[in-house]
Amino acid sequence: SSELTQDPAVSVALGQTVRITCQGDSLRNYYASWCQQKPGQAPILVIYGKNNRPSGIPDRFSGSSSGNTASLTITGAQAEDEADYYCNSRDGSGDHVLFGGGTKLTVL
Amino acid sequence: QVQLQQWGAGLLKPSETLSLTCAVYGGSFSGHYWSWIRQPPGKGLEWIGEINHSGSSNYNPSLKSRITISVDTSKNHFSLNLSSVTAADTAVYYCARGRGGAPVLYYWGQGTLVTVSS
Repeated sequence: SSELTQDPAVSVALGQTVRITCQGDSLRNYYASWCQQKPGQAPILVIYGKNNRPSGIPDRFSGSSSGNTASLTITGAQAEDEADYYCNSRDGSGDHVLFGGGTKLTVL
Repeated sequence: QVQLQQWGAGLLKPSETLSLTCAVYGGSFSGHYWSWIRQPPGKGLEWIGEINHSGSSNYNPSLKSRITISVDTSKNHFSLNLSSVTAADTAVYYCARGRGGAPVLYYWGQGTLVTVSS
């Protein structure tokens, strides 16, 4: 498959837990990575591999995967988590990278 | 602390060639995946292509005929050339580097806005 599908927008109340999902056939064979992008800024990696966080990423961010769906969970969302989130993974051949369309997270 | 700094021409005319360079500061240069990604104004991220630590490159099939990605290990640089640009190539272009030999977009450059206009 050559697509990763994300919900365009998700909202969460301050301090609550939110899950952002990414669906695609290639996720059965490859882990997703998740990037956070705030307006006017470059993306930053928040989750990669099975459930790895780069240095400096708060532990309220976690990743999981089941079947053709990868998830990014923010436990106790903060105002500063309001951003666009993009999943990416290899395609079925493993030779190319796919991006999801992005999910705009609003923290209420 | 690894930092990626990128530069290149920001305004091009249709049919010209886009050329961007990304320099890496800190950390090792060899043994990683090197990637380019772009983002049209108001839209999502699009992978352009990559070159890995063994010199093998992969390109987005929709752009493959126009792309060259290369690495200059003597200068700790890697570069993107995109030929025959059109207005549809107007975007912020990002470079990214992997970590530990894995094809993960771990470190990102600051982005370069490239506008194609006659």
